[in-house]
Amino acid sequence: TQLLEQSPQFLSIQEGENLTVYCNSSSVFSSLQWYRQEPGEGPVLLVTVVTGGEVKKLKRLTFQFGDARKDSSLHITAAQPGDTGLYLCAGKIRDFGNEKLTFGTGTRLTIIP
Amino acid sequence: KAGVTQTPRYLIKTRGQQVTLSCSPISGHRSVSWYQQTPGQGLQFLFEYFSETQRNKGNFPGRFSGRQFSNSRSEMNVSTLELGDSALYLCASSPRRGAFTNEKLFFGSGTQLSVL
Repeated sequence: TQLLEQSPQFLSIQEGENLTVYCNSSSVFSSLQWYRQEPGEGPVLLVTVVTGGEVKKLKRLTFQFGDARKDSSLHITAAQPGDTGLYLCAGKIRDFGNEKLTFGTGTRLTIIP
Repeated sequence: KAGVTQTPRYLIKTRGQQVTLSCSPISGHRSVSWYQQTPGQGLQFLFEYFSETQRNKGNFPGRFSGRQFSNSRSEMNVSTLELGDSALYLCASSPRRGAFTNEKLFFGSGTQLSVL
């Protein structure tokens, strides 16, 4: 059972368009992170959101944490080819007294020039 | 500051063999976590080491083991390799334990393991 579901699984859009990808769970997370992974590399942290309803902006990227801390979204404005990559959300969840970082299956984004 | 270094970058093994992967964290980082990434299952947590002790473990069989040395470098071992162990193995380091809410993970580029 996948704790974190990301949608869509694949997304291919033209340069300049806007897009939103989603990360959903039935579990409450103490915090949620978004990473971007490029081919042949490890994931790179983009942002951490902690408070329900929190919105963070990173240039053209806007991240939102759901009020109930069970979901998150990533919105990209005016997408560029450099945004191409695998976007992963990761939530911290308490499991038998330990906090584990659980990753979603990712959204593979391709921006067509 | 050098990033997280994983060696080797690529590895080809046959079923039944065993393999050891190495991870050198960012200088000053004391926590090292290991993850397995496959197209079907995504990124799955293997284990976390802090101060030479395993602090956290994922749902993997006992064939997967690890250790951390006093200089925080870590190794991961997989014994009796199976075809399904083919994956990208990623190591991540952080200054403190990953249990802290805002802890940042810094990933290496991974070791691509192919089991034939």
